[in-house]
Amino acid sequence: AQSVTQPDIHITVSEGASLELRCNYSYGATPYLFWYVQSPGQGLQLLLKYFSGDTLVQGIKGFEAEFKRSQSSFNLRKPSVHWSDAAEYFCAVGGNAYSGAGSYQLTFGKGTKLSVIP
Amino acid sequence: ETGVTQSPTHLIKTRGQQVTLRCSSQSGHNTVSWYQQALGQGPQFIFQYYREEENGRGNFPPRFSGLQFPNYSSELNVNALELDDSALYLCASSHRDGFIDGYTFGSGTRLTVV
Repeated sequence: AQSVTQPDIHITVSEGASLELRCNYSYGATPYLFWYVQSPGQGLQLLLKYFSGDTLVQGIKGFEAEFKRSQSSFNLRKPSVHWSDAAEYFCAVGGNAYSGAGSYQLTFGKGTKLSVIP
Repeated sequence: ETGVTQSPTHLIKTRGQQVTLRCSSQSGHNTVSWYQQALGQGPQFIFQYYREEENGRGNFPPRFSGLQFPNYSSELNVNALELDDSALYLCASSHRDGFIDGYTFGSGTRLTVV
């Protein structure tokens, strides 16, 4: 069964500091991997995704993520955090465990809440 | 292009009641997925509809059911509500392969069961 682990429940960084959010996944084949961001009371917004090719993926809002197959990781990074980045971040793997062939479901981690100190 | 619209935004129901949540998909999308997000948790896949047929289901009991209409909008129905059904319910629309083209999520319906 596919699964996603986000080891850090809550991270606090100062504005302007660098950021790395960790994500480890379990999936039997080449995974589709995603990072989403959720602001309070809002739905999910896609930051970036990976399914093949270059293992360093660029996303929106200055975020990037690196796929490391040997470590089953897909960590999210940003070189300089802005106060508006405060939100909850979810890593997800795409697959069809449980649901049967033909569906395109996402399995999410429990999220990492990011707080930014001005 | 319009995004995904969910209604209502909030509602409160009593244990044992039934509830219907609605979702209008983004223009051009033919697939709708529903997710349940309990407080402090990541979203969990409930089911997906493609061209009015259920196209995959997560680990949820049969009292969770859904519909998709010819205009690709969708409903999520939950019967015999339990306290643990209290959650944010998210709808996401996409083309058939949401992994490639991406999902558009709505802002969700916050359901409270008392």
